[in-house]
Amino acid sequence: GEDVEQSLFLSVREGDSSVINCTYTDSSSTYLYWYKQEPGAGLQLLTYIFSNMDMKQDQRLTVLLNKKDKHLSLRIADTQTGDSAIYFCAEAGTYKYIFGTGTRLKVLA
Amino acid sequence: DVKVTQSSRYLVKRTGEKVFLECVQDMDHENMFWYRQDPGLGLRLIYFSYDVKMKEKGDIPEGYSVSREKKERFSLILESASTNQTSMYLCASSLGAANNSPLHFGNGTRLTVT
Repeated sequence: GEDVEQSLFLSVREGDSSVINCTYTDSSSTYLYWYKQEPGAGLQLLTYIFSNMDMKQDQRLTVLLNKKDKHLSLRIADTQTGDSAIYFCAEAGTYKYIFGTGTRLKVLA
Repeated sequence: DVKVTQSSRYLVKRTGEKVFLECVQDMDHENMFWYRQDPGLGLRLIYFSYDVKMKEKGDIPEGYSVSREKKERFSLILESASTNQTSMYLCASSLGAANNSPLHFGNGTRLTVT
């Protein structure tokens, strides 16, 4: 099937690291994307990783890719209250993007 | 930065009305998309367009149509709105093929059909 799977909820304390996991389906996907959606807004592109990479770091964000297991993760270091949002992973074919159902991150002060 | 602008943030319409949702992008992107987002169902693709006057059905096209007369503008049309079309509608654009171009989203239009 074409399901990109994510856990629905994650709760962390401010200052801790958050790890959001995603399992995708198509081993031929070239790019894998992470998006952030704040309440009442559209999706904002956070970062992406090319399929020939294992890891990408961008300030507080670290993306890890395990192609063998089709597993993608997003780590947010020093999580802040402003990081509270829904996070979507997405894989991409030629024209089609397949999104996970999103992980709602709640940051506790 | 790419800007994708949706004309309305909130819209309330009556059952049976014809509804137009407008979307404009300012970065000369080839591809434009309409999604709807519902709790527990994630994002579902309604229609997309890879060129002016071209359109392709997505996963849930029933009850919708689209128009792309100019490259920068992609309109979603609900011919006869129904209550099950109450949803958040997201427009997006991309420069090229999905496997090397990220989607850029607008802020969404929350449509309520009463």
